[in-house]
Amino acid sequence: DAGVIQSPRHEVTEMGQEVTLRCKPISGHDYLFWYRQTMMRGLELLIYFNNNVPIDDSGMPEDRFSAKMPNASFSTLKIQPSEPRDSAVYFCATGLAGPDTQYFGPGTRLTVL
Amino acid sequence: KQEVTQIPAALSVPEGENLVLNCSFTDSAIYNLQWFRQDPGKGLTSLLLIQSSQREQTSGRLNASLDKSSGRSTLYIAASQPGDSATYLCAAINAGGTSYGKLTFGQGTILTVHP
Repeated sequence: DAGVIQSPRHEVTEMGQEVTLRCKPISGHDYLFWYRQTMMRGLELLIYFNNNVPIDDSGMPEDRFSAKMPNASFSTLKIQPSEPRDSAVYFCATGLAGPDTQYFGPGTRLTVL
Repeated sequence: KQEVTQIPAALSVPEGENLVLNCSFTDSAIYNLQWFRQDPGKGLTSLLLIQSSQREQTSGRLNASLDKSSGRSTLYIAASQPGDSATYLCAAINAGGTSYGKLTFGQGTILTVHP
C-alpha cells in the first residue's frame, strides 16, 4: 500500500483565496483524521470521520474551515477565505479503529501570504 | 480537557548514550498512549503504542512505559545513534464520550544525537 496520500505537498496562496487540501486514506481504513501543526500550538486535531461520517469537528477553528469525505477513498479540507494565520502544516491520518494506531500522511505545507 | 506535556523540550547527547524522554498527561482516562517520531519536513511515524492495561512496550532499542495513575509515560532510547535525531511526540488517546479515539499531542522533544 502507498500509505496515506496528501496533495498538494506545498501550497502558497494569497489571503482571501480558497484553498483545498486532499487526502487519500489507506484502503480499508475507516477512520480519517485531519490535524494542523504550527510552532505555537503544536499538533491539533481539527476533525475526524468514521465511515465517511464526521464524528467530531470541535477542533475546526471557525466557519472558514470545512471538511468532507464523499467516499471511503477521498477527503478534502477547505479553507475559504484563507488568512495568513492559517499557515501551517496540515496532516491527514487514517486508522482501522479510533483508538488504535494512526498512520500519517506526509502533510501539506500551506503558506498564506 | 486532556493536556499533554513533554519534558525536556530539547535534548542534545553524544552518540552511545542512553536517554529518557518524559511525557505527562492530565486526564488518566486514556485508552492508550502512543509515541511518534517526526523527521524535519516529514509526517509522523508511530514508534510504540501502549494499551492502557499495559505497563510497557519494547521495540528494538526503544522502550516505552506507562503509569496511568500518575499520568506519566517515558520513552527510553538505548545506545543512541545520530539517526535517532528527530522530534519525538507522545499522544494520549481518549477513552470515552465524544472524545473517544482523539489524539492529544504533546509539544514534542527535539532530540539531537551527535557523533
